[in-house]
Amino acid sequence: GAGVSQSPSNKVTEKGKDVELRCDPISGHTALYWYRQSLGQGLEFLIYFQGNSAPDKSGLPSDRFSAERTGGSVSTLTIQRTQQEDSAVYLCASSLEIIVSTEAFFGQGTRLTVV
Amino acid sequence: AQKVTQAQTEISVVEKEDVTLDCVYETRDTTYYLFWYKQPPSGELVFLIRRNSFDEQNEISGRYSWNFQKSTSSFNFTITASQVVDSAVYFCALSEADVGSQGNLIFGKGTKLSVKP
Repeated sequence: GAGVSQSPSNKVTEKGKDVELRCDPISGHTALYWYRQSLGQGLEFLIYFQGNSAPDKSGLPSDRFSAERTGGSVSTLTIQRTQQEDSAVYLCASSLEIIVSTEAFFGQGTRLTVV
Repeated sequence: AQKVTQAQTEISVVEKEDVTLDCVYETRDTTYYLFWYKQPPSGELVFLIRRNSFDEQNEISGRYSWNFQKSTSSFNFTITASQVVDSAVYFCALSEADVGSQGNLIFGKGTKLSVKP
């Protein structure tokens, strides 16, 4: 696609429910990143994929968070048993190669509100 | 530890004024990359510049200029003759070159710039 696409743009969910956030990177970009932006924490790195592989998952805030990427393209960030502190904007980015080599392009984010 | 500090939380200027956004970083690595991103009200982060640690040459792009000083670990961003459309949150970020760190952009808290007509 022309840019990084994220869906949904807004999601309101009840505490305890599971949510899935989707990221569609720019076609041909091998690297994909997830960040979280919240008022208290600023922009926080969660995880990145090189192809379908995530070398380091230590940035995920808890074991309720998981991410996968299939076919070297679309990625899904899943939050199980959502809590109010999960409320934030979740940003996805992609780049041709890993971030130090090339520019990363960001999507407009998914605003998650847990009530 | 790696850290990016943007001490200015909010700045307000009048159109046509020059404004400098400060960024100070900390890293143990000798090879690293510094970035500036702009986040307009629409929400997406827009890439402005990437600079590697071996290139201390200042850069100018139109009304934007960047001053990289390794001696003070600073990478400041100046907008000359500011315009209302420059109003946004600006983020400075750091990425280290170690394998395993390369996917991780460490962001500052951001500086909200308001340019008034």
